[in-house]
Amino acid sequence: GENVEQHPSTLSVQEGDSAVIKCTYSDSASNYFPWYKQELGKRPQLIIDIRSNVGEKKDQRIAVTLNKTAKHFSLHITETQPEDSAVYFCAASSGNQGGKLIFGQGTELSVKP
Amino acid sequence: SAVISQKPSRDICQRGTSLTIQCQVDSQVTMMFWYRQQPGQSLTLIATANQGSEATYESGFVIDKFPISRPNLTFSTLTVSNMSPEDSSIYLCSVDRDSENTEAFFGQGTRLTVV
Repeated sequence: GENVEQHPSTLSVQEGDSAVIKCTYSDSASNYFPWYKQELGKRPQLIIDIRSNVGEKKDQRIAVTLNKTAKHFSLHITETQPEDSAVYFCAASSGNQGGKLIFGQGTELSVKP
Repeated sequence: SAVISQKPSRDICQRGTSLTIQCQVDSQVTMMFWYRQQPGQSLTLIATANQGSEATYESGFVIDKFPISRPNLTFSTLTVSNMSPEDSSIYLCSVDRDSENTEAFFGQGTRLTVV
């Protein structure tokens, strides 16, 4: 089955700096890669996603890149702000069951003012 | 996007008892999913709930411990049976967001503490 590895487990940056979180996956059939942000005590919220037919996607300060050959994808947050502090999860799924997700271990991002 | 109501939001239960968690969606969805998030950990898929058939369980999860019902296209329940402190977790239901079966949209979760 699918296995998703996520690094780093914790990341601390200064406000205004960029943050990068990386994930690798094992199943070449995976074709959907969402990123979730989870604030303390709250449910995961989708922040961006990418499909295997796209190499890069951007939404304001957030971007995701996908390298299918290497089976890895990354989240890039630019101009970080204290409110970006949260736990971020990458995930992967295959086929048409977008809700059946295998999650990475999570990255606790801390943005220091 | 679908609105998911999950209840209870939290509960404290005695070991050896069972708790049933309900998940109600405001629109019909084909697939519903149940996840567990242990303290400080990531989300792990427990099972996929299909209407009209038995749930499909992931490795490490069994029906006797986590029976699931899916009586219609808007509702599902997850029961945590014969609970032990190791079952203390947040349990979340999710659905595919739209007809293209993309994006898992999560309920607010049930925080379970077993004492």
